[in-house]
Amino acid sequence: NAGVMQNPRHLVRRRGQEARLRCSPMKGHSHVYWYRQLPEEGLKFMVYLQKENIIDESGMPKERFSAEFPKEGPSILRIQQVVRGDSAAYFCASSSLGPSSYNEQFFGPGTRLTVL
Amino acid sequence: DAKTTQPPSMDCAEGRAANLPCNHSTISGNEYVYWYRQIHSQGPQYIIHGLKNNETNEMASLIITEDRKSSTLILPHATLRDTAVYYCIVRVANTGTASKLTFGTGTRLQVTL
Repeated sequence: NAGVMQNPRHLVRRRGQEARLRCSPMKGHSHVYWYRQLPEEGLKFMVYLQKENIIDESGMPKERFSAEFPKEGPSILRIQQVVRGDSAAYFCASSSLGPSSYNEQFFGPGTRLTVL
Repeated sequence: DAKTTQPPSMDCAEGRAANLPCNHSTISGNEYVYWYRQIHSQGPQYIIHGLKNNETNEMASLIITEDRKSSTLILPHATLRDTAVYYCIVRVANTGTASKLTFGTGTRLQVTL
């Protein structure tokens, strides 16, 4: 059973370009979460999605960032007009249950975004 | 979600038990204790969780005090591959926003020869 897959693993963008990060959850998981880890900092929650719905986006920056999890295909985290401060590791996690105490999240290997 | 307090770093000799403490004195009755670890820039890895009873799985044991205000993660025979940052997280159950994980600064465990 494949784990959570993220691609690309490394992404380099110049300031002002767009970055698209993809996450394929574990088989059977319909809940996806995105986290960001800035250099030398801890992981910060960004957004929680179920299929076709955003459940909690309390950690998403108000501008330039968006996320989706369509009925078919991977979840996408999209960053428009990237700036150097967006350089970070972006981790995706998935789970098979809704909000419950047994909602273990399984993480992917991350995408390391570098903005030049 | 309740706040947790962990020591910033710990050392452990390979083959010995690693005991990682966590204080969560404001934990409420419906909050579970979760442990994750992050090995050098990899994605975090789920280890174990519990409510009030002690728990054990193939990776570790979780000991929760009777008043639930603190817990200890035990790696019974630490190896060099257990070197990582260990995060103790408490989460409210069964609410619409319960699913996110709030990571603190964790404990950096260094396992040495």
